[in-house]
Amino acid sequence: EVRLVESGGDLVQPGGSLRLSCAVSGLTFSSYWMHWVRQAPGKGLEWVSRIKYDGSFAEYADSVKGRFTTSRDNAKNTLYLQMDSLRVEDTAVYFCGRSVGAAVDPWGQGTLVTVSS
Amino acid sequence: QSALTQPPSASGSPGQSVTISCTGTSSDIGNYNYVSWYQHHPDKAPKLIIYEVTKRPSGVPDRFFASKSGNTASLTVSGLQPEDEAHYYCSSYAGRPNLVFGGGTKLTVL
Repeated sequence: EVRLVESGGDLVQPGGSLRLSCAVSGLTFSSYWMHWVRQAPGKGLEWVSRIKYDGSFAEYADSVKGRFTTSRDNAKNTLYLQMDSLRVEDTAVYFCGRSVGAAVDPWGQGTLVTVSS
Repeated sequence: QSALTQPPSASGSPGQSVTISCTGTSSDIGNYNYVSWYQHHPDKAPKLIIYEVTKRPSGVPDRFFASKSGNTASLTVSGLQPEDEAHYYCSSYAGRPNLVFGGGTKLTVL
């Protein structure tokens, strides 16, 4: 069974930092590009970032570029999202997911990040 | 890149059919055959139900049918069942940024 489990969500003050993790099992993690997608309260989904299977390339949405960094540890089957200079508008549930062509499948259940003073 | 446009809500009675639209631009839906649809029940992981415009992953019933015309994609759910009540999101490959999503449609089974 393929499982993706996000963790690391928390309450953080504006300007602060947080690192999210996504533990993956049941698939050959090192073979797949991976995505981060978020959902702000009461809003739709927003693509955040994706990273190449070997970690050599990552790209970001304009809304997070320069503040967020995606990385991965293929030995640990884990995906990371380092979030710096957090803003109130970054408040969201963050999902990780496997990239399959231009789709995301499967997804984790998400971890909640709240940015508030 | 603007989000794709979906109606905020849709509804139908059990056994009926309902269609959800997803409107983009010539930079996303209109330019690529990479439209996906996701079903999202509250507090659960979103689930891929359609990829590459019309294809269903293994295990997704053929009650879910999708298509595309120009800059608009559509998802039809036929033979509505109570468990179909969920939020549905479309997405499209868009070059840069990589993916763009719709705002979501809440499907209510009356």
